[in-house]
Formats: sequence, C-alpha cells, structure tokens
Amino acid sequence: EAEVAQSPRYKITEKSQAVAFWCDPISGHATLYWYRQILGQGPELLVQFQDESVVDDSQLPKDRFSAERLKGVDSTLKIQPAELGDSAMYLCASGEGFSYEQYFGPGTRLTVT
Amino acid sequence: AQKVTQAQTEISVVEKEDVTLDCVYETRDTTYYLFWYKQPPSGELVFLIRRNSFDEQNEISGRYSWNFQKSTSSFNFTITASQVVDSAVYFCALSDNAGNMLTFGGGTRLMVKP
Repeated sequence: EAEVAQSPRYKITEKSQAVAFWCDPISGHATLYWYRQILGQGPELLVQFQDESVVDDSQLPKDRFSAERLKGVDSTLKIQPAELGDSAMYLCASGEGFSYEQYFGPGTRLTVT
Repeated sequence: AQKVTQAQTEISVVEKEDVTLDCVYETRDTTYYLFWYKQPPSGELVFLIRRNSFDEQNEISGRYSWNFQKSTSSFNFTITASQVVDSAVYFCALSDNAGNMLTFGGGTRLMVKP
C-alpha cells in the first residue's frame, strides 16, 4: 500500500538553528499539505500545495518558515531560525485533490532546546 | 470561519462496551466535507471516513458507525464492542466548499481497558 514518507522522524535542534523536513507524497497525488501538531491538540494547516503551486499559506509564519515543492512531487519545509515554541510534530499529507481525504505520513517530531 | 468542537477530551471504557465520540461543527458553507481520523500511539493519522454535507445517511463499517445530523451540526462516531486496539486519539475535521482548508477538532482520547 502506498504511503506518505517523511524524514527525519525525530529532530533535536538548538534555538536559532535552521532545520528542514522532507516529505514524499503518495505517487500521483496532486495536493500536498504541511501541518503542525502541538502536543494535545489537533493538527493545524501551515501550507497547502496543488502540484508545485502554493494554494494556501495564510497560517505559515513566513518570517521564519518556508516551504517548496519545486517539481510538484516531494516537498521541503524549512524553519530558520528555530524557536522554542516550534517544538511540535510536523505532519505531511497528500490527496488526490481538494475535498478528498488526506493521507498522512508518520510525521517529524521536532524538539527545540 | 470554520470550527470543530470535540467536547470530550478523554473517554475511558472497558473492552466490549459501546462508545460514542461527539463532534459539533460550525461553517457558513452550504457544501462542506466532514472527516474522522484516528491517531494511534504511533502518531500517524489514519483516515476513517469522509462525508459530504448533502449525504445525511448514516454509515456503518464493521464496528464503526457514523451519525450525521445537519440540523444539529453534529457528526458523531460510535464504536460498537470496543477493543483495546481502538485506544487512540480520534479527530473530527471539516473542510470548506473547495476542500481547501481542513480544520481539526481538538481530539478525543479514547482508552479501552481490558
């Protein structure tokens, strides 16, 4: 069964450092999403792609976060500089299109010290 | 603005009991989609069901059933004869007309004890 791949699974970094997460969606899925999930809460959408284009990044803290999906396939989410409040699970999901169910990867758990 | 409320933060039941997880939503859209996801201790969100706003038929899938009531803006989830493996956090979610924005509730942690 096809799955969404994410790496790394765990990342510990010091504040003010740069960190990057990678996501490879299910083959053929046009939409890709990055979510942040703080412990004990539901996921919150950070950015949404349709192919290589950003559809919605209204919740992305653009002063420190950036996301790209250059060839419309895999995607990278970057944080620079990381802050203590960025400690969370970062989830990637993909789907066949808008309004369809999203399939989630295992996530990257980020700890900022 | 969309909002999903899962008032039950934590539920504990004994194996084989039936349990219902509540979900209440708010939206101004006439067309929207509702979802339930399961997040086991491993952390990966697992899709359970998708329902569009025009389909109010209840759905049953094995031990799982969903009750969608548009009149009360609720989309409740029932597990019949619960099992220990059902222990997880369950999230209800809502997307807008274009499916652009998936808004999650705060989740309900279900603990099924043997």
